[in-house]
Amino acid sequence: RKEVEQDPGPFNVPEGATVAFNCTYSNSASQSFFWYRQDCRKEPKLLMSVYSSGNEDGRFTAQLNRASQYISLLIRDSKLSDSATYLCVVNIYNYGQNFVFGPGTRLSVLP
Amino acid sequence: DVKVTQSSRYLVKRTGEKVFLECVQDMDHENMFWYRQDPGLGLRLIYFSYDVKMKEKGDIPEGYSVSREKKERFSLILESASTNQTSMYLCASRKVGGPLPYEQYFGPGTRLTVT
Repeated sequence: RKEVEQDPGPFNVPEGATVAFNCTYSNSASQSFFWYRQDCRKEPKLLMSVYSSGNEDGRFTAQLNRASQYISLLIRDSKLSDSATYLCVVNIYNYGQNFVFGPGTRLSVLP
Repeated sequence: DVKVTQSSRYLVKRTGEKVFLECVQDMDHENMFWYRQDPGLGLRLIYFSYDVKMKEKGDIPEGYSVSREKKERFSLILESASTNQTSMYLCASRKVGGPLPYEQYFGPGTRLTVT
């Protein structure tokens, strides 16, 4: 079983739609969690950290469920510019501060 | 502004050549990382460095070595390039310390083709 799993997509949604991405992780010792965004042929960039209580940044909401080892990202009112690959990232302190990346979920927002 | 730079955007090398990929960060970050990214596999960690002269193997270190003689520079070395090392190579750096889970900052990547 992979350490971090994501639905690869692609998710093709119309502008204005709400879309949700899921991510599961296998190591219960995981300590911190992130969503990164990677545009085509570009480097990954941090979208948001994920906190235990859940957090929101504008149209983006991230949730963490430690009991189920599950992270989600919700995008409301999606824009064309949201088209990208979204990477779920888990930091496992026990493994020397390694960051483990999920394979990513590709989103295409269509006009 | 945060900056991670990599020495080349595109590189073409022949099988058996020794290849050096350079990464420089200007943020005084302690941690630095080398990843490779392949379609369908995502980012995989090759090596990372806690601090100057400190390194630890990642998930796929075979065929690679690293050097960190100065805090701002982390080099990835392919001792004898092979075609299965054709990939996108991404360098990242990260600050440590404090209560927040600090993010990684990535360089623009080097697309290496080994023929």
